[in-house]
Amino acid sequence: GQNIDQPTEMTATEGAIVQINCTYQTSGFNGLFWYQQHAGEAPTFLSYNVLDGLEEKGRFSSFLSRSKGYSYLLLKELQMKDSASYLCAVREYNTDKLIFGTGTRLQVFP
Amino acid sequence: DAMVIQNPRYQVTQFGKPVTLSCSQTLNHNVMYWYQQKSSQAPKLLFHYYDKDFNNEADTPDNFQSRRPNTSFCFLDIRSPGLGDAAMYLCATSRAAERAYNEQFFGPGTRLTVL
Repeated sequence: GQNIDQPTEMTATEGAIVQINCTYQTSGFNGLFWYQQHAGEAPTFLSYNVLDGLEEKGRFSSFLSRSKGYSYLLLKELQMKDSASYLCAVREYNTDKLIFGTGTRLQVFP
Repeated sequence: DAMVIQNPRYQVTQFGKPVTLSCSQTLNHNVMYWYQQKSSQAPKLLFHYYDKDFNNEADTPDNFQSRRPNTSFCFLDIRSPGLGDAAMYLCATSRAAERAYNEQFFGPGTRLTVL
């Protein structure tokens, strides 16, 4: 079956670092995506990992361990505008379908 | 700018009254998706088109239909909306390419209210 787990909510302080974890159990794997979604808006692409290791993109980094079925999104130098939901999504092998987690709602406080 | 456009952004319909949501894209992507997202839940894939090939998810109710008359446009038809169909409907596109990642680009969504 398909199962993607993320914490429901997290809070952090402006300027801090936060790590959002995602674990997955899927019948096939062909990459993991992180999307950011502000309330009432569409998801926007943040990062993609298909090989093990860390991908860095400015203030955001994403890590993948395929053997552990585990990924995290690291947000540095948090800003108020980073308050949003962060969705972890796994792409099924040999298709373009994404299986989404329920998302982690991050609140950044001053 | 290349983008995914959804109209309308907000749609109100009555219980049982058919409604159509539209999506268009200027990205020339060959794959288009429709997702349903309810509050605080993950986007749930309803169906997708790979070029003209329609792929329905097994648990998508028959009440939901889709049309893709050409590469740029895709429609979601809800034949008899129920109260449980109130949700955000997201359209997404991607360019399927073998051995290359292909992120999905999402439109802004249509929020459907059923009265």
